[in-house]
Amino acid sequence: GDSVTQMEGPVTLSEEAFLTINCTYTATGYPSLFWYVQYPGEGLQLLLKATKADDKGSNKGFEATYRKETTSFHLEKGSVQVSDSAVYFCALRGRTSGSRLTFGEGTQLTVNP
Amino acid sequence: NAGVTQTPKFQVLKTGQSMTLQCAQDMNHEYMSWYRQDPGMGLRLIHYSVGAGITDQGEVPNGYNVSRSTTEDFPLRLLSAAPSQTSVYFCASSFGQSSYEQYFGPGTRLTVT
Repeated sequence: GDSVTQMEGPVTLSEEAFLTINCTYTATGYPSLFWYVQYPGEGLQLLLKATKADDKGSNKGFEATYRKETTSFHLEKGSVQVSDSAVYFCALRGRTSGSRLTFGEGTQLTVNP
Repeated sequence: NAGVTQTPKFQVLKTGQSMTLQCAQDMNHEYMSWYRQDPGMGLRLIHYSVGAGITDQGEVPNGYNVSRSTTEDFPLRLLSAAPSQTSVYFCASSFGQSSYEQYFGPGTRLTVT
């Protein structure tokens, strides 16, 4: 079945540092890929998405590129801020899954001033 | 729009008790779902609904019941609570099965003693 694997956390960075959170997936065919963010005490929010190979999703300075050859969708940001502290979830939706999402385990990011 | 609302925010149950977690959305979304979030395991799908009167099981449905009598509401029932059901529960909705973005509620933190 479908699965998503994220890099283990937690991740602690200083403000303005470069961020990478790794995500790899296993799925039949070509799924759609997502990054969701969960701020403290809140529900999940869609951060960015990519629906086909080589697509780059971007939002709020975050980027991720859909790499079919490596089955990866790594999240990057060039300069993190304290306000980026949150839990980040990689997720996929299979072509035959309707709206059903498969999530990774989540990565806790803490950014210190 | 209030978006997706969930009640209660927190709940403590004793083993064997029953309760209903409420979820409502005011965006006229067809698709609604329930997830549970456990440390190190990401979010796992419990039940989902593609429209009023239609529900189906997700990845971890045992011990939970759902119904969808209206488009707006999608309650989750725990028939006989067990400590293994201690978790954070999220309700989500989207326009339809092909919609890319799911909207999440703020969550209900349930503890079963």
